[in-house]
Amino acid sequence: AQTVTQSQPEMSVQEAETVTLSCTYDTSENNYYLFWYKQPPSRQMILVIRQEAYKQQNATENRFSVNFQKAAKSFSLKISDSQLGDTAMYFCAFSTNTGNQFYFGTGTSLTVIP
Amino acid sequence: GAVVSQHPSRVICKSGTSVKIECRSLDFQATTMFWYRQFPKQSLMLMATSNEGSKATYEQGVEKDKFLINHASLTLSTLTVTSAHPEDSSFYICSAASGSIGSYNEQFFGPGTRLTVL
Repeated sequence: AQTVTQSQPEMSVQEAETVTLSCTYDTSENNYYLFWYKQPPSRQMILVIRQEAYKQQNATENRFSVNFQKAAKSFSLKISDSQLGDTAMYFCAFSTNTGNQFYFGTGTSLTVIP
Repeated sequence: GAVVSQHPSRVICKSGTSVKIECRSLDFQATTMFWYRQFPKQSLMLMATSNEGSKATYEQGVEKDKFLINHASLTLSTLTVTSAHPEDSSFYICSAASGSIGSYNEQFFGPGTRLTVL
């Protein structure tokens, strides 16, 4: 069975600073996908960044980057130059290569402080 | 592209009535659609997975007679909460996936429906 763990229920960061959100997962699969989703107060789920397990290079999307450690089964999200609009719930998610089912972590509530 | 809509966005109903929530993929064909339930400040809980033209697969603990799912076309799935009770009050989110979009098994999420049962 696949599990996704986010050990930080709440975090805060000063505007313009950098913050890292942690995520670990457990799977016996070799090929899979990892995602970070953002859920702002509007409740709309927004894809922030994604990573294919067979790619060693860490994914980056503008101010968002990941530190993917496959052996350690770790997938952390780094947000640089934090902005007020980054305030949201962040969910780490895992998807197997064979199916479309997602496994979500419990989420981290991030608050950017002006 | 890859937009998913949900209707209604909010619904308030009396206990004992049935409520239907629609989920549409607006610009792509969704071979698979998912229905999630989310309680306040909690994660998304997968309720069921549906493929077009076939019966939905429900997660353990989800009553299939209570939450009826129909995936009649490649762009529409509906969730009907039958004989709703206050404990069914929640935020319901649908998502859609298509093997023809990208290569990441990505799901595209609808904006959600807030159900309140009085």
